[in-house]
Amino acid sequence: QVHLVESGGGVVQPGRSLRLSCAASGFTFRNYAMHWVRQAPGKGLEWVAVISNDDSNNYYADSVKGRFTISRDNSKNTLYLQMNSLRLEDTAVYYCARDPAYYHSGNYYNVALDYWGQGTPVTVSS
Amino acid sequence: IQLTQSPSSLSASVGDRVTITCRASQVISTYLAWYQQKPGRAPKLLIYAASTLQSGVPSRFSGSGSGTDFTLTISSLQPEDFATYYCQHLNSYPYTFGQGTKLEIK
Repeated sequence: QVHLVESGGGVVQPGRSLRLSCAASGFTFRNYAMHWVRQAPGKGLEWVAVISNDDSNNYYADSVKGRFTISRDNSKNTLYLQMNSLRLEDTAVYYCARDPAYYHSGNYYNVALDYWGQGTPVTVSS
Repeated sequence: IQLTQSPSSLSASVGDRVTITCRASQVISTYLAWYQQKPGRAPKLLIYAASTLQSGVPSRFSGSGSGTDFTLTISSLQPEDFATYYCQHLNSYPYTFGQGTKLEIK
């Protein structure tokens, strides 16, 4: 069955960096787009970033653009989120999620986030 | 694109029919998904492409709408349905979520 396991979260000081990982199993990882979504304590869901199945495209929320980098290693079935210049407001549980996106007539269509990991908590605090 | 859900919270009883609305600030065709989240758990996909039921999701859940106005309907509430519900658009980046609707037991 589909399994997504995030790791790498923890407590970090403002301005420092952290790299999250998401290990995928139970499906053909290279065939799926992948997303990161976060949820601050007691708040709603915030979409963070997406990467296409072949690593040709990636997009970010304005709140993290220029500071976070999404990447993937299809040979290791692993998704990453490199988070630099962390701020207090980046404190959240970070989820990775799978997306059965597809190409059609030269365009790439994201469908939905159909499986999610259990999340890894990130706390930015001095 | 902003998504506004209404109501923000809702009290209902087992067996009730419940409707949650999601309104987009721009036309998004049918690029809309609905998720259910229970406390301390990851979200779960219920509906995608506005009205397509995700595999394994009970048929009491349904979605409708296109353009800017969408609804999630639960035809007969079950005890396990009390949770927070989110809509998300996937029309253009960034893929924002609505603010959530908390469904509570009356």
